[in-house]
This record gives sequence, structure tokens and C-alpha cells, in this order.
Amino acid sequence: QVQLVQSGAEVKKPGASVKVSCKASGYTFTSYGISWVRQAPGQGLEWMGWISAYNGNTNYAQKLQGRVTMTTDTSTSTAYMELRSLRSDDTAVYYCARNDYGDCPDYWGQGTLVTVSS
Amino acid sequence: QSALTQPASVSGSPGQSITISCTGTSSDVGSYNLVSWYQQHPGKAPKLMIYEGSKRPSGVSNRFSGSKSGNTASLTISGLQAEDEADYYCCSYAGSSTFEVVFGGGTKLTVL
Repeated sequence: QVQLVQSGAEVKKPGASVKVSCKASGYTFTSYGISWVRQAPGQGLEWMGWISAYNGNTNYAQKLQGRVTMTTDTSTSTAYMELRSLRSDDTAVYYCARNDYGDCPDYWGQGTLVTVSS
Repeated sequence: QSALTQPASVSGSPGQSITISCTGTSSDVGSYNLVSWYQQHPGKAPKLMIYEGSKRPSGVSNRFSGSKSGNTASLTISGLQAEDEADYYCCSYAGSSTFEVVFGGGTKLTVL
């Protein structure tokens, strides 16, 4: 069965960086992409960007361009999302989700809470 | 790309049917038959309920159905049950030359 297991909760200070991991299993990792989606407390889902696990091509949401980097390690079937220059409004649960090209996500990770606070 | 428009809340009694709308534009919902719907219970990850507008993943009850007309997609839940109470989100592919996905703002379903 498809599973996406994410790294644990993080607490960061404003201006710092955070890197969240997402280990995939139960399917051929390079046959799909991974989207990252975040959800601020009490708010809706916000798409952050997508990476192809096949060739590493990325597309980021315009508002996060320059602050976010998505990568994959095909040897371990793991995707990573790094967000830099953290602000308080980056406090959210961050999800990875399997995402075929040209479609919406299907399987989701359990989420990683990132708290940005001084 | 702006978020898709959903009603903030809907409600219904057990056994009734409800419909949640998701309105986009000709650049997203109207261009692709690629709308998905997710159910999210508090503290949990979203769960795929409908994909490609009207298809149900294995294991999802046939009480859930999806449709689309023009720039608006809809999720209908028939025979409401207490466990259907959750937040529901729509999603549409919105890319043309690059990959892009857009979500709706979410709808809180209350089972009375």
C-alpha cells in the first residue's frame, strides 16, 4: 500500500530555515511527482509546489519563489522541502502528497507541524 | 492563481443529501476534467474521495459522487451519516505551460 511518512515536528525562530522529509513506499517512486501543501492553523490548504521524482523538475507557487526548494533522493525514495527566511505566518502543518503530472494529489503524508516563534 | 470558491459551511440531517459547490475559472475547473475532492477530519491528513471529477477511489462509499458543469464542480453526499461531518476541499489542475494546482477554501459539513 502507498505510504508517505514525514519527519517530526519542528520549532524554528524567525529567519531560520526548516527542511521536512517525506519517505515514500508502496509504489515506484520515480513514476510520480510529489506536491507539498501547507495548512495554517484553522485555515485551508495551500499548494506550495511540485517536484518530479523522475527528473527533479520543479514548479513552485509564485508567492514562495526564492524561499522554497524541493528535492528528491531516488536512492531512498525520499522527498525534501526546505523553506528559508521563516516568518510567523509560515507556522502551519506541512504535507507531502503523491501527485501525478497534470493532476491533483492522491495519497498524503501524515503532516509535519512547523512552528515559527521567537 | 486564485483559490477556488466553496461555501464556508453546509449542513444536513442524517439520511439527507447535500451538495458542495466549487467554482473556478476557464483556466482551471473549466479547462480540465481533473477536479478532486478531499475529506479532512480534525487533526488528520486530507483523504481523497473523488478524482477526475466523478471517479471514486477503491474503498470510498458510493454515497459520494462528483460532477461538473462549466466552471463549477460539485460534490454530493447522499444518505448523510454522522461520520461524514468534516471539512471538504476541492482541487483542480490549473497549469498550462507549467505544473500548477489550486485548492478551494474548504467547506465545513455539519451533520445535525
